[in-house]
Amino acid sequence: QKEVEQDPGPLSVPEGAIVSLNCTYSNSAFQYFMWYRQYSRKGPELLMYTYSSGNKEDGRFTAQVDKSSKYISLFIRDSQPSDSATYLCAPEEYGGYNKLIFGAGTRLAVHP
Amino acid sequence: DAGVTQSPTHLIKTRGQQVTLRCSPISGHKSVSWYQQVLGQGPQFIFQYYEKEERGRGNFPDRFSARQFPNYSSELNVNALLLGDSALYLCASSLASSIAKNIQYFGAGTRLSVL
Repeated sequence: QKEVEQDPGPLSVPEGAIVSLNCTYSNSAFQYFMWYRQYSRKGPELLMYTYSSGNKEDGRFTAQVDKSSKYISLFIRDSQPSDSATYLCAPEEYGGYNKLIFGAGTRLAVHP
Repeated sequence: DAGVTQSPTHLIKTRGQQVTLRCSPISGHKSVSWYQQVLGQGPQFIFQYYEKEERGRGNFPDRFSARQFPNYSSELNVNALLLGDSALYLCASSLASSIAKNIQYFGAGTRLSVL
């Protein structure tokens, strides 16, 4: 079993839709949870992060963590064609140094 | 301010050769991490360096090595290349290494093709 599971999609939605992207994880020691966006042939770009359980909102994006069920979500409201990218969830493992444990990424396509 | 810069952007090598990839972190960042991203998968941690010392190593063979220089730039070396080493190699920089919530910022990567 992988430490972080993420449905690779692809997910295709019409412009303006609400998008829900999800990950599950197995390590209960994770405390920080990052979401990165990766456009084709580019490096991952940090979207937002949350600490422990709870919600965090940034513009059209909301990140949610439920540590009791080990479930991570990213919601995108009013999706735009420019949101078309691969979304990577990445909990941070900390043991004297930090490393990110990435999911496989979900490929999202928003069509006009 | 410049972000994380990596060179070269693309590289083609043959099996058995050796390759060196380079990374310059964001100004002021002292920690550099390397990740390997195989097509269709998420990045996988290879190394983290902080203040020229190796702080962490992922599950990669000894063919992979790295170092960090006094100016905090870093090199990743891969010896005896295999076809399976074909991937996007990502460098990430961060302020420090020994704190939680250590935000890592990624470069555009070096795409390595092994023929």
